[in-house]
Amino acid sequence: EAAVTQSPRNKVAVTGGKVTLSCNQTNNHNNMYWYRQDTGHGLRLIHYSYGAGSTEKGDIPDGYKASRPSQENFSLILELATPSQTSVYFCASGDDGVSAETLYFGSGTRLTVL
Amino acid sequence: QQQVRQSPQSLTVWEGETAILNCSYEDSTFNYFPWYQQFPGEGPALLISIRSVSDKKEDGRFTIFFNKREKKLSLHITDSQPGDSATYFCAAKDTNAYKVIFGKGTHLHVLP
Repeated sequence: EAAVTQSPRNKVAVTGGKVTLSCNQTNNHNNMYWYRQDTGHGLRLIHYSYGAGSTEKGDIPDGYKASRPSQENFSLILELATPSQTSVYFCASGDDGVSAETLYFGSGTRLTVL
Repeated sequence: QQQVRQSPQSLTVWEGETAILNCSYEDSTFNYFPWYQQFPGEGPALLISIRSVSDKKEDGRFTIFFNKREKKLSLHITDSQPGDSATYFCAAKDTNAYKVIFGKGTHLHVLP
């Protein structure tokens, strides 16, 4: 069974603070993704990675950094959190290579920035 | 830039009816179209998918119809059940690229 685990499930942060969202996958997939979900916007791609040590910008990367230290782990980092980054964040892993077709999502992290 | 559009934003049907969810796209390089189903408090999960070489894909009560010329798809859910109440995302991908682009989703409510 494919498994993507996100932590924490819920997070409250203060404006200007640093936030790190973590994701772990046991699928042995090369590709990993960070999306945010907001009402009226659907799922928007922030960063993605096609292997350990790689990170690529998605469609809305501003204000976010990503880190892929290993095959299993992919982190999303908000160096200076802002209220506009209040959202639900989803991590996903995908089948190997550019033909990654099925994404396996975690259960999400609800982030509130006050 | 919204490359995948879905309509309606929200849809309510009675149990037993057929729900029709629409999707359109802009990029001609897209050749793989998955639909994801999301229940409240959970992440999206793949429901059914179609490649651009096909014009129809069935899986039980779920059917995708694909019109490549018009760049349109639709998901038909026959004999809708209250348990089908969820958000449905249409997505698109070029199999030569890494990115998967999602639409904004359709909220489906099935009334008993």
